[in-house]
Amino acid sequence: QVQHVQSGAEVKKPGASVKVSCKASGYTFTGYAIHWVRLASGQGLEWMGWINTGNGDTYYSQKFQGRVTISRDTSATTAFVELSSLSTEDTAVYYCTRDVPGGGAFDIWGQGTMVTVSS
Amino acid sequence: DIVMTQSPDSLAVSLGERATINCKSGQSIYYNNKNLLAWYQHKSGQPPKLLIYGASIRESGVPDRFSGSGSGTDFTLTISSLQAEDVAVYYCQQYYGTSKTFGQGTKVEIK
Repeated sequence: QVQHVQSGAEVKKPGASVKVSCKASGYTFTGYAIHWVRLASGQGLEWMGWINTGNGDTYYSQKFQGRVTISRDTSATTAFVELSSLSTEDTAVYYCTRDVPGGGAFDIWGQGTMVTVSS
Repeated sequence: DIVMTQSPDSLAVSLGERATINCKSGQSIYYNNKNLLAWYQHKSGQPPKLLIYGASIRESGVPDRFSGSGSGTDFTLTISSLQAEDVAVYYCQQYYGTSKTFGQGTKVEIK
């Protein structure tokens, strides 16, 4: 079936980087953009950025510009988000999701990956 | 970035009663004869679930007690008869711009 399976929970120290993966299956990977969204405790959903899985073009939220990198491996139908210079405020659940060609709502979500930043 | 503002931040509704959530965008999100707005339901420990897209089109499998309305900059999500399983946080989201922004969320509880 159509699904996204994300990598497991991570614990990082402040200043470190984290890379989370999202394995897509059940659909043509390069036919959909992949977006990353996070939910920090006490906060709302926060869109981070997206990748055109076909040509690799990326676009990031200004909030994360310079600190986030979204990439993909088309042969493995997997997308990645890497966040650097972590602080405790980056402690959150990170989700991957897809939208339809041309831009649309997010219909299929990964299960979420908990990233904890703690000294 | 387009700012999305929801109201109220939380509401408590009796079982079987109507729940109404409002969402206002900082600019019109109407393009090519469509309102580029979605509503999501988010329950604790689960990923968000798409309920409505195009402001008023119910996603497949979503109960018909959920409905969306509005156009331009003002939108509404209505739960016509609240059920216990509808307790969640609800978010609107615009997908008009290159940046896809969410509202701050509305927590729905049982009164």
